[in-house]
Amino acid sequence: GAGVSQSPRYKVAKRGQDVALRCDPISGHVSLFWYQQALGQGPEFLTYFQNEAQLDKSGLPSDRFFAERPEGSVSTLKIQRTQQEDSAVYLCASSSGDTSYNEQFFGPGTRLTVL
Amino acid sequence: AQSVTQLGSHVSVSEGALVLLRCNYSSSVPPYLFWYVQYPNQGLQLLLKYTSAATLVKGINGFEAEFKKSETSFHLTKPSAHMSDAAEYFCAVSKTGTASKLTFGTGTRLQVTL
Repeated sequence: GAGVSQSPRYKVAKRGQDVALRCDPISGHVSLFWYQQALGQGPEFLTYFQNEAQLDKSGLPSDRFFAERPEGSVSTLKIQRTQQEDSAVYLCASSSGDTSYNEQFFGPGTRLTVL
Repeated sequence: AQSVTQLGSHVSVSEGALVLLRCNYSSSVPPYLFWYVQYPNQGLQLLLKYTSAATLVKGINGFEAEFKKSETSFHLTKPSAHMSDAAEYFCAVSKTGTASKLTFGTGTRLQVTL
């Protein structure tokens, strides 16, 4: 079956531009996570949704970062006024349940480069 | 707070040799522990996870890991390396109970040579 998909796979933005990154989770998965992976580092948590509710946004680095999941399926991560330090791979993961026991399935990521 | 430390950012082994990737964790509550593998330009794939059922966990592709509470370790091993094992490996920790974030280590790049 289809896994987690993300689009675009690659995005180049000029500093100061706004970008929107899309995540299509596995159908029926209630939990959705966003992570940021800088070059040579492990992924770092950004935010978590259970259905349409954003239950944890403690990892969002600034108020320029905003995520939504209005209908409890597709999610969008928006970054306003991009900065060079925002350059990273943004990973989306979904899981079928609402416990830590449920495996998180990761998408291929969106590589954002801010010039 | 939870954290993981992966010792060795790069590990090189010969094909057929033992693979040992080290992970130590810190957690104030009983954790779940995970090993993920990442191939170039791909997402992370779960190799195995410890969820307090058994301390020796077997995963996919012949990998296994042992949870040692006294050493706060969760090292990943494979008896015989294959060329296809070359990838980046991440250890991660999460809280138990309701869904929560994964906290990852910085990763270990495994190189397999002939």
